[in-house]
Amino acid sequence: EADIYQTPRYLVIGTGKKITLECSQTMGHDKMYWYQQDPGMELHLIHYSYGVNSTEKGDLSSESTVSRIRTEHFPLTLESARPSHTSQYLCASSKQGATNEKLFFGSGTQLSVL
Amino acid sequence: TQLLEQSPQFLSIQEGENLTVYCNSSSVFSSLQWYRQEPGEGPVLLVTVVTGGEVKKLKRLTFQFGDARKDSSLHITAAQPGDTGLYLCAGARGMAGANNLFFGTGTRLTVIP
Repeated sequence: EADIYQTPRYLVIGTGKKITLECSQTMGHDKMYWYQQDPGMELHLIHYSYGVNSTEKGDLSSESTVSRIRTEHFPLTLESARPSHTSQYLCASSKQGATNEKLFFGSGTQLSVL
Repeated sequence: TQLLEQSPQFLSIQEGENLTVYCNSSSVFSSLQWYRQEPGEGPVLLVTVVTGGEVKKLKRLTFQFGDARKDSSLHITAAQPGDTGLYLCAGARGMAGANNLFFGTGTRLTVIP
């Protein structure tokens, strides 16, 4: 059902590398989000966007940055990865203005920083 | 401080058993959602409850929103291995929008064939 895609699914990199996690959706949703999830734990919102050129920080402080140049694309960038960034990153989208709005999640990117 | 506490954190049961998981808070929510997340995938929405005392059924799953809209429960009848996964509740406060959506700590369910 969900038309939201994340790449890569798995990424293992060394400390200090710059990385970009990709997220794209084909549903025309205005709202997009990035969550961080440690194994078996709750989701923490790190970034969200209500539309093109709109980005906000979430509840959990993160050293990552995001951009929203196109409606369908919401990439997340880490300028210099560290082992503390090791986690699962989940992208989601929802329809603007929908009551009881439903989040559609991608399959996630599992990031390991050595 | 966690806004939404789920219990139990882990649950392992035999196929065919019944179970209930809980989502509790001291805060009032305008609505509450339940998601299931399978290994290696993102969460998928199961249900949204809006009215205090509301009960919704989805096949063998029964969801209830507390009268005061501070808590919720999920009851599974005759659990199947396909029910295995991480169950997350998420409460909405204020206006709609995921920046006002708070996820619980999760219950990891394993159903043994």
